[in-house]
Amino acid sequence: QVQLVQSGAEVKKPGASVKVSCKASGYTFISYYIHWVRQAPGQGPEWMGIINPGVGSTNYAQKFQGRVTMTRDTSTSTVYMELSILRSEDTAVYYCARDGSRRAPSGYMDVWGKGTTVTVSS
Amino acid sequence: SYVLTQPPSVSVAPRQTARITCGGNNIGSKSVHWYQQRPGQAPVMVVYDDSDRPSGIPERFSGSNSGNTATLTVSRVEAGDEADYYCQVWETGSDQTVVFGGGTKLTVL
Repeated sequence: QVQLVQSGAEVKKPGASVKVSCKASGYTFISYYIHWVRQAPGQGPEWMGIINPGVGSTNYAQKFQGRVTMTRDTSTSTVYMELSILRSEDTAVYYCARDGSRRAPSGYMDVWGKGTTVTVSS
Repeated sequence: SYVLTQPPSVSVAPRQTARITCGGNNIGSKSVHWYQQRPGQAPVMVVYDDSDRPSGIPERFSGSNSGNTATLTVSRVEAGDEADYYCQVWETGSDQTVVFGGGTKLTVL
């Protein structure tokens, strides 16, 4: 079945970086874009950006430009999200989610990973 | 940037109908998607493209979109429907971006 499996929880100090992985299975990896969404405690989801696993092109939310990098490894069907210069406000659950449309993003997310908790604390 | 406005909470008795609204400027011209999120779990898409339902989602979940308001309707509400619900659009202007509403807590009385 289609699934996205994310890496485990992380604890980081302010100023550090974190890299979260998301391994896809059950479908053609390069045919569907992947979104990254985060959710701070008690808050709603916040979109961070999108990657085209086929060619590696990205589009980041303005808020995160300069701090976020999304990459992919087609040999392992895995996408990565790296967030740098972490601050306490980056404490959140980070989700990867598949865009529901083949080849061109539709904006809706039909399959989600279970989430990766990132805690930023000194 | 585009703003989606949802009521913080909606309460309904079992077997009644819940309607959750999502307001936005001329939202009827956009495709609206809805997600259900239970505590401690990832969101699950329950409606996409205003009114389409993914496989596995009960027919009790339906959506509509017109003018400045999109609506998620949950018919014959069950205790298991208690969750947070988020609307979402994909902005495709000069800067592509995803916008989520603030969320609505559906309480089953």
